[in-house]
Amino acid sequence: DTGVSQNPRHKITKRGQNVTFRCDPISEHNRLYWYRQTLGQGPEFLTYFQNEAQLEKSRLLSDRFSAERPKGSFSTLEIQRTEQGDSAMYLCASRADTSSSVFGPGTRLTVL
Amino acid sequence: AQSVTQPDIHITVSEGASLELRCNYSYGATPYLFWYVQSPGQGLQLLLKYFSGDTLVQGIKGFEAEFKRSQSSFNLRKPSVHWSDAAEYFCAVGSGNTPLVFGKGTRLSVIA
Repeated sequence: DTGVSQNPRHKITKRGQNVTFRCDPISEHNRLYWYRQTLGQGPEFLTYFQNEAQLEKSRLLSDRFSAERPKGSFSTLEIQRTEQGDSAMYLCASRADTSSSVFGPGTRLTVL
Repeated sequence: AQSVTQPDIHITVSEGASLELRCNYSYGATPYLFWYVQSPGQGLQLLLKYFSGDTLVQGIKGFEAEFKRSQSSFNLRKPSVHWSDAAEYFCAVGSGNTPLVFGKGTRLSVIA
């Protein structure tokens, strides 16, 4: 297990379509975070899982966004009815209780 | 409110020159502090972190940072910059299990 992986790396979609991203964390990491990064900004927190439980959501996470982490393994982030403002890099990070967050390469979303 | 300020949006240094990137934070509890580096189109790589103890911390790639509680600062330094250090640098603050709060980043350019 060499790190956090995210798929797809790039996604281009039309406004109004639904998209789903996947994150595979480091296998022994029980905590998983989703962040969003727009151009010229630092990553902003979206949501956080400890094992399969979603413990915290940011106010950035509108009702069009949903995230799951079945069985505490991989996680998915779905955006329904995409808008042009959703265009961003979506970053996933994982960590164990006593370690620092390890980030994946991100999924770049472009909404046309 | 938790926040991180990176006052310099863009810094240009000559190869071989020294570097200091500034970071100031506002955090209610005892902060855990981090510096991450991001190359274009990539995820974030941890350079170093401060949890407690010695206020001067060493990281990878020859970077170091000093925590100054009285100034609420955690500046990143490198004595001699290499062309491969050109990237975006992010300072972040967190505590225990809380999500990280990032600054807006400083873009480093290295000239010959």
